[in-house]
Amino acid sequence: GDSVTQMEGPVTLSEEAFLTINCTYTATGYPSLFWYVQYPGEGLQLLLKATKADDKGSNKGFEATYRKETTSFHLEKGSVQVSDSAVYFCALSILTGGGNKLTFGTGTQLKVEL
Amino acid sequence: NAGVMQNPRHLVRRRGQEARLRCSPMKGHSHVYWYRQLPEEGLKFMVYLQKENIIDESGMPKERFSAEFPKEGPSILRIQQVVRGDSAAYFCASSQNPGQGSEAFFGQGTRLTVV
Repeated sequence: GDSVTQMEGPVTLSEEAFLTINCTYTATGYPSLFWYVQYPGEGLQLLLKATKADDKGSNKGFEATYRKETTSFHLEKGSVQVSDSAVYFCALSILTGGGNKLTFGTGTQLKVEL
Repeated sequence: NAGVMQNPRHLVRRRGQEARLRCSPMKGHSHVYWYRQLPEEGLKFMVYLQKENIIDESGMPKERFSAEFPKEGPSILRIQQVVRGDSAAYFCASSQNPGQGSEAFFGQGTRLTVV
């Protein structure tokens, strides 16, 4: 079946440090790839997405490139802020008769300190 | 423009009671998905519904769990005879018509605690 593997956390960084959160996937079809962010006590918010190979999703300084050859969608940000502290989820969906259900990784908690 | 609304935000039930979780999708959305997040884990798909139809319930436990999305009113996730293992956060997401890369909008979740 389809699955998503992402690096375990927590990841602790100093403000303005470079961030990479690794994500790889296994899929039987051609998935769309997503990064969602969850702040404490809140639901998930879409951070960025990519729908085909070599697409780059970007938002709020975060980027991720859909790499079909390595089945990866790593999240990066050049300079993190304290406000980026949250849990980040990599996910995939494949459009089927069952709609766009999402398969999630286990999440990576990011803590950014001053 | 209200987003996806879930209520209650927090729900405490004793073992053996019933839990009813409600989800009102975004305006204009007719597709609803339910996910469960166990402590320290990612979200797991439970069920996908359109108005009055269950499309995919492959992630639903075979017993005690049911879901509906009536023509009028919110979608309901119902858990009968709750057990401690049902304690989790339950999230609802809604979308417009499915499509490649279609975005799902999530509610804030219902945190169920079974005591």
